[in-house]
Amino acid sequence: AQSVSQHNHHVILSEAASLELGCNYSYGGTVNLFWYVQYPGQHLQLLLKYFSGDPLVKGIKGFEAEFIKSKFSFNLRKPSVQWSDTAEYFCAASSNTGKLIFGQGTTLQVKP
Amino acid sequence: DAMVIQNPRYQVTQFGKPVTLSCSQTLNHNVMYWYQQKSSQAPKLLFHYYDKDFNNEADTPDNFQSRRPNTSFCFLDIRSPGLGDAAMYLCATSRDRVGGQESTDTQYFGPGTRLTVL
Repeated sequence: AQSVSQHNHHVILSEAASLELGCNYSYGGTVNLFWYVQYPGQHLQLLLKYFSGDPLVKGIKGFEAEFIKSKFSFNLRKPSVQWSDTAEYFCAASSNTGKLIFGQGTTLQVKP
Repeated sequence: DAMVIQNPRYQVTQFGKPVTLSCSQTLNHNVMYWYQQKSSQAPKLLFHYYDKDFNNEADTPDNFQSRRPNTSFCFLDIRSPGLGDAAMYLCATSRDRVGGQESTDTQYFGPGTRLTVL
């Protein structure tokens, strides 16, 4: 069955710390990968996406993610987090049907 | 700005009283989706429309139905809400559902409607 799993449910960091959120997927065939962010009280917003090509994808607000096919992973990274990055982060994957399957989400709390 | 709009943002209903949630889009996308997101959980797809073609997820309860009268609008009807249906309901759109095309597969989400069932 298709699935997406996120290793960390709750992450607490201090400002300027580096961030890496894990995401693994289980899909057969072609897969498209996404990271969405949900700031408190706001709607889901796309951070970045991978469809093909360069496995290192750069998104908005200094985020990047690396697709490692051999590890079925698509981890999200940011070298230096800010208080404003406090949010819930969802990894998601879709196949050729376009159906999006989300991971459980990771709550990131950045302490000023 | 092109966007996905959901009304109302907050909806309170009584146990068993039918309720309808609304979604509209100015993106002119072919596909519209309804998700249910319970507290601290991932969004869960209920169903989607590809143009007028309705696609129900296998585990979506019969209590949930949807209508899409035109490209711009899509409605979620909950026939007899139970306490377990209290959640955030998210509408999303995408240009197409065919995978592998960067511009067609990305889903854009509305702000959601938070449903409370008393």
